[in-house]
Amino acid sequence: EAGVAQSPRYKIIEKRQSVAFWCNPISGHATLYWYQQILGQGPKLLIQFQNNGVVDDSQLPKDRFSAERLKGVDSTLKIQPAKLEDSAVYLCASSRTGTGGRWNTEAFFGQGTRLTVV
Amino acid sequence: QKEVEQNSGPLSVPEGAIASLNCTYSDRVSQSFFWYRQYSGKSPELIMSIYSNGDKEDGRFTAQLNKASQYVSLLIRDSQPSDSATYLCAILSGGYQKVTFGTGTKLQVIP
Repeated sequence: EAGVAQSPRYKIIEKRQSVAFWCNPISGHATLYWYQQILGQGPKLLIQFQNNGVVDDSQLPKDRFSAERLKGVDSTLKIQPAKLEDSAVYLCASSRTGTGGRWNTEAFFGQGTRLTVV
Repeated sequence: QKEVEQNSGPLSVPEGAIASLNCTYSDRVSQSFFWYRQYSGKSPELIMSIYSNGDKEDGRFTAQLNKASQYVSLLIRDSQPSDSATYLCAILSGGYQKVTFGTGTKLQVIP
């Protein structure tokens, strides 16, 4: 079974530029997460999709970040314009949807995109 | 109060010893609990999941869950230098399966 695919692996941009990240989840996984992990910290949830609908974007800085998951499969996360503090690893994860009231599903991560804003 | 709290460490243990990692959480209706291992520069890797009170063992790893006290722990027996990594506690809660992570505990196993 193929894992979560992300691209690019690395990106260096200047502040105020825009950047986009792509994620392809594990086949059949309805839930897709984007996390931001700043060096030395745990992953912080930016946005969560259930199929192609957003179920949680409470920590997404909506003035500069946007994300979409068209057709309920691939997803893109965009930053425009980027700030220095956006330098982080952006992790995409996916999980199955629980059934029968038992949410015993685990999230599996892609390799991440390391963004450096200079 | 943070949703998921961990001691950032580093926790240093000698090779062959038991490493004990702890995590507390604030949401009483949390449903599922996970431990991820993250090597430097790599993405988190799931190593244990636990859903019910008590212990769950998998090889050298044992996860312990106490919902009444709102804590979950991970024991690593016979610690090896290759276990040196950051261990992230994650909690799944809510009707939409929100997964929240702690800040992680850095473990160093000294040969």
